[in-house]
Amino acid sequence: GNSVTQMEGPVTLSEEAFLTINCTYTATGYPSLFWYVQYPGEGLQLLLKATKADDKGSNKGFEATYRKETTSFHLEKGSVQVSDSAVYFCALRAQTRGGADGLTFGKGTHLIIQP
Amino acid sequence: AAGVIQSPRHLIKEKRETATLKCYPIPRHDTVYWYQQGPGQDPQFLISFYEKMQSDKGSIPDRFSAQQFSDYHSELNMSSLELGDSALYFCASSLGLRDQGIGELFFGEGSRLTVL
Repeated sequence: GNSVTQMEGPVTLSEEAFLTINCTYTATGYPSLFWYVQYPGEGLQLLLKATKADDKGSNKGFEATYRKETTSFHLEKGSVQVSDSAVYFCALRAQTRGGADGLTFGKGTHLIIQP
Repeated sequence: AAGVIQSPRHLIKEKRETATLKCYPIPRHDTVYWYQQGPGQDPQFLISFYEKMQSDKGSIPDRFSAQQFSDYHSELNMSSLELGDSALYFCASSLGLRDQGIGELFFGEGSRLTVL
């Protein structure tokens, strides 16, 4: 079956530090990959996505590259801000014969940025 | 732009009571998904509908049922509520089950159910 594994948190960094949140996946077929972010008390928002190998998704200074050879989609940001404090979910969406599945999520990584 | 609308946003029920959550997808989206997120947990897939027919089923308890109506809105019915049902329930929508798996799901703000 499909699964997503991401690094456990909480991850605590100082403002302007470099961020990496690791994500690896197992899937049948050729999935699309996503990072969703959940701010305290809010819903899930799409942060970025990639739909094929070597695609790089980017948004708000965050980046992730779809690496098929290592089945990974690590999230990076060069300089984090206090406002980036949130829970980040790596997710995949796989194709089936009938169309597309829903999302399979990782466990989430709680990111805390200190001023 | 219109987003996924969920109601109610907050709901408090007693054990063994019944609750109904509603979801209005983004206009022209024909696929709806329901997820349950416990405290500090990742969202767990419950059930999905495409063109008013159930398309996939996840870890939805037998006490729960759902349907999608002719206007594409969906309702999640939960009966004989238990303390463990307290969670955030998300609805998401997408355009077409057959979108080749490239599209993201758009999530609502969630309905927070508290069972006392």
